[in-house]
Amino acid sequence: AQSVTQLGSHVSVSEGALVLLRCNYSSSVPPYLFWYVQYPNQGLQLLLKYTSAATLVKGINGFEAEFKKSETSFHLTKPSAHMSDAAEYFCAVSDRGRRALTFGSGTRLQVQP
Amino acid sequence: KAGVTQTPRYLIKTRGQQVTLSCSPISGHRSVSWYQQTPGQGLQFLFEYFSETQRNKGNFPGRFSGRQFSNSRSEMNVSTLELGDSALYLCASSLVDRGRDEAFFGQGTRLTVV
Repeated sequence: AQSVTQLGSHVSVSEGALVLLRCNYSSSVPPYLFWYVQYPNQGLQLLLKYTSAATLVKGINGFEAEFKKSETSFHLTKPSAHMSDAAEYFCAVSDRGRRALTFGSGTRLQVQP
Repeated sequence: KAGVTQTPRYLIKTRGQQVTLSCSPISGHRSVSWYQQTPGQGLQFLFEYFSETQRNKGNFPGRFSGRQFSNSRSEMNVSTLELGDSALYLCASSLVDRGRDEAFFGQGTRLTVV
């Protein structure tokens, strides 16, 4: 079974600092990988996805992620944090045959002024 | 175009009752998935429907069921509610049912069981 591990349930950065949210997956074959963001009392919004095209994926709001097969990682980064980035971020994986997403436990990002 | 619409947004039910949640996918989307989100268990996959057929099912008891109509709208039913069923229930729609397709989420239905 697939699984996703997000290291750090809470991450705090200063406004303007680098954002790095970690995601590792376990899968026998490279899966499809996604990063979603959730604001309070809202659903999930897709930031970016990896579907085996480019290993460096650019998403919305200045976020990007790099797929590293050797490390089974798909870490999310943003060069400069903004106050509006404060939210919960979820890494998710789906295999090539199913529409079911397996989510990590989430990382709450706090941005300090 | 309109996003995924879930109704109602909030719901309070009593233990032992049953509840039906509704999800209208994005126009043209044929795949609808349901997820349960709780502080303890996080986001868990319930089931997925495509063209009125259940294609995948998560590890939930039979009290949780769903269906999809010919217009792709979907309903989820939970019978004999338990306190532990209190959660945010999220519906997601996709164009088709391939693993690579982006899932668009609704705002969810917050169910509280008392």
